Amino acid sequence: ILNVEQSPQSLHVQEGDSTNFTCSFPSSNFYALHWYRWETAKSPEALFVMTLNGDEKKKGRISATLNTKEGYSYLYIKGSQPEDSATYLCAPLDSNYQLIWGAGTKLIIKP
Amino acid sequence: NAGVMQNPRHLVRRRGQEARLRCSPMKGHSHVYWYRQLPEEGLKFMVYLQKENIIDESGMPKERFSAEFPKEGPSILRIQQVVRGDSAAYFCASSLGRLLDEQFFGPGTRLTVL
Repeated sequence: ILNVEQSPQSLHVQEGDSTNFTCSFPSSNFYALHWYRWETAKSPEALFVMTLNGDEKKKGRISATLNTKEGYSYLYIKGSQPEDSATYLCAPLDSNYQLIWGAGTKLIIKP
Repeated sequence: NAGVMQNPRHLVRRRGQEARLRCSPMKGHSHVYWYRQLPEEGLKFMVYLQKENIIDESGMPKERFSAEFPKEGPSILRIQQVVRGDSAAYFCASSLGRLLDEQFFGPGTRLTVL
C-alpha cells in the first residue's frame, strides 16, 4: 500500500497571495495521480488527473505539476481568493489500481 | 445530467439496528466507490463495485458490512447491528472508467448511532 504524504497539513494565506503545497508518494509502480478539492460541508470535487512525468495541468488559477521519477506533485494557487479555502487532497493509484488518499492540506484564505 | 445522489442525507440508528445507505451514480457511470470519513479523519476507501460485481472490498470491515450494486437500481451499503463506532459520513462516488477518470462524489450520508 502506498504511503502518501501531503504537506503542510494546514496553511493560512493572505487573500491575493499565491501559494503551493506538496503531495509525496513512492515513485515505483506509479500509474496516475488525482487531485481533489474538498470544501467544508460539501463533497470532494475533482481537479486533475495526471499520469505523465512532467505533466502540468491548469484550471483557472489552480495548476499542478507532476514528477513521477522523484515521487511528488505540487499544486499551485495563484492570487488566492476566499473561495479557495478548502482541503486539497491528492490520491495516487496503487498497484491494485486503488486510489490511496492523502490526509490533505487545509488551506485557509484570510481576507 | 444529475450528479451522484445519495440518500438519506442523515440517518439515525440505535445500536443493534441496520443501516441502509443508497447511492445512485451519475448517468452512464458503471463504477461505484464507497468511502467513510470518521470524525476528525480523512477519506478511507471501503469498496469498489461495478454493475453486479464487487471488484475490491479490501477497505470494508469483514463483519456486519456489505455492499451491492444490482443490475437495476442504486448501489446499497448495508451495515448490520450498528455500533457507535460506525457513526461517520459515508460518501459514494462514481466514475466513467476505473483508472484515469475522475470520481464524482455524492453529498454523503451522515450516520449517527445512538
